Amino acid sequence: DVKVTQSSRYLVKRTGEKVFLECVQDMDHENMFWYRQDPGLGLRLIYFSYDVKMKEKGDIPEGYSVSREKKERFSLILESASTNQTSMYLCASSLGGTGDEKLFFGSGTQLSVL
Amino acid sequence: GENVEQHPSTLSVQEGDSAVIKCTYSDSASNYFPWYKQELGKGPQLIIDIRSNVGEKKDQRIAVTLNKTAKHFSLHITETQPEDSAVYFCAASIDRGSTLGRLYFGRGTQLTVWP
Repeated sequence: DVKVTQSSRYLVKRTGEKVFLECVQDMDHENMFWYRQDPGLGLRLIYFSYDVKMKEKGDIPEGYSVSREKKERFSLILESASTNQTSMYLCASSLGGTGDEKLFFGSGTQLSVL
Repeated sequence: GENVEQHPSTLSVQEGDSAVIKCTYSDSASNYFPWYKQELGKGPQLIIDIRSNVGEKKDQRIAVTLNKTAKHFSLHITETQPEDSAVYFCAASIDRGSTLGRLYFGRGTQLTVWP
């Protein structure tokens, strides 16, 4: 079964810190995604990538950047963390293409910015 | 982009009753509609999906219906059990045959099944 692993389950950071959230998938998937989950707002797409070194903005990219140097790894970067970035962050991957749209999610990283 | 609305935001049912969650979408080009279930402390998992060339799909106690004309689709869970308690998300996407499988999610429904 596909495994999507997020490096931390809980993370506490200070305002202004640079924060790295790491995600690794083990099934050679083409597409990788970063979502943010907040109560009442559902899953909002921050960035996604359909190939190594390629990235596309999602719906809420402001304050975030991403890096995909290897196919299996997709990193989310908060350049200067702010309190309004306190949230649950979910990474996902998919094979891509018709019939292969199924997303496989990690268990999430609960980030608190103080 | 696509806009997916989901109702209700919370739903409580007695064990054994049915539960229905409804979603609408805005882009008539959307042609793929999955449903995800998120249990406490876990990431969402796909439970059922439907494509626009099909009106209904069933998998044991869960079913999804699609009305393309009205641009809405629904999740039906029959004979609910306490383990069905979770947050459910609907989603829509436009499959153009590329690798960009970008989904647009609804805001989620917290389903609670009371024993």
